[in-house]
Amino acid sequence: DAKTTQPNSMESNEEEPVHLPCNHSTISGTDYIHWYRQLPSQGPEYVIHGLTSNVNNRMASLAIAEDRKSSTLILHRATLRDAAVYYCILRDRHNFNKFYFGSGTKLNVKP
Amino acid sequence: NAGVTQTPKFQVLKTGQSMTLQCAQDMNHNSMYWYRQDPGMGLRLIYYSASEGTTDKGEVPNGYNVSRLNKREFSLRLESAAPSQTSVYFCASSRPWGKYQETQYFGPGTRLLVL
Repeated sequence: DAKTTQPNSMESNEEEPVHLPCNHSTISGTDYIHWYRQLPSQGPEYVIHGLTSNVNNRMASLAIAEDRKSSTLILHRATLRDAAVYYCILRDRHNFNKFYFGSGTKLNVKP
Repeated sequence: NAGVTQTPKFQVLKTGQSMTLQCAQDMNHNSMYWYRQDPGMGLRLIYYSASEGTTDKGEVPNGYNVSRLNKREFSLRLESAAPSQTSVYFCASSRPWGKYQETQYFGPGTRLLVL
C-alpha cells in the first residue's frame, strides 16, 4: 500500500499562507491524493482531493508535483480555526474502501 | 440532517467486560467504517462495510466484531475488553462520486477507557 510522509508539526502566523507538504514517492498511476483535517476533539473532515492537476475549493488549494511524488496543501490565509492535524492520504486503488491515515502534520496558528 | 452519530460519547469498562458501540448515518451512504485512534497517532481502520449485508476486515480487526444492521447502522462490538483497546473510536460513512473518488464523513467519536 502506498504511504505518505508528512512533517510532524508546522507553525504559521494568522492571516498568512500556509504550505503543508506531503511526500508519496510510491504513488501509483490511479491513486488519488486526499487531504483531511482533524480539529481538536473532533472527527476528521474532508478538505480536498486531486489526481494530477492542481485543485481549488473554498477551503484550500492542492498543488500536485508533475511526477506526482509529492503534493502541497495550501491554506491561503490561515485563521486560528485552521489549527488542526492535517492528513495526506492516498486512496488505495485496489481497495477503494480503505483510507490509510498516517500521523499527519499538526498545524499551530499563532495570533 | 444529523450526519454521522455515535453512542455513547464516553465509556469506562473493566477488563473482560463487553460492550457495543453504535453508529448511525442519515445520508443514505452505502459504505461505513470503524476506526480507532490512539493518542498522538493517526486513525487505523478496524472494519468496514461496503454495502448493507457485507463487512470486511481492516488493518486492526483483532478483538472486534461488527454488524451492519441495515443501511443506516453499523455497530462495533468488543466481546472481552482489554486495556490495549483504550482508544477513541470513530465511525464514518462515505459517498462515492466517480471512479476511485469518495468523501468520508466522520462521527464525533467514542472515548473508551478499559481499566
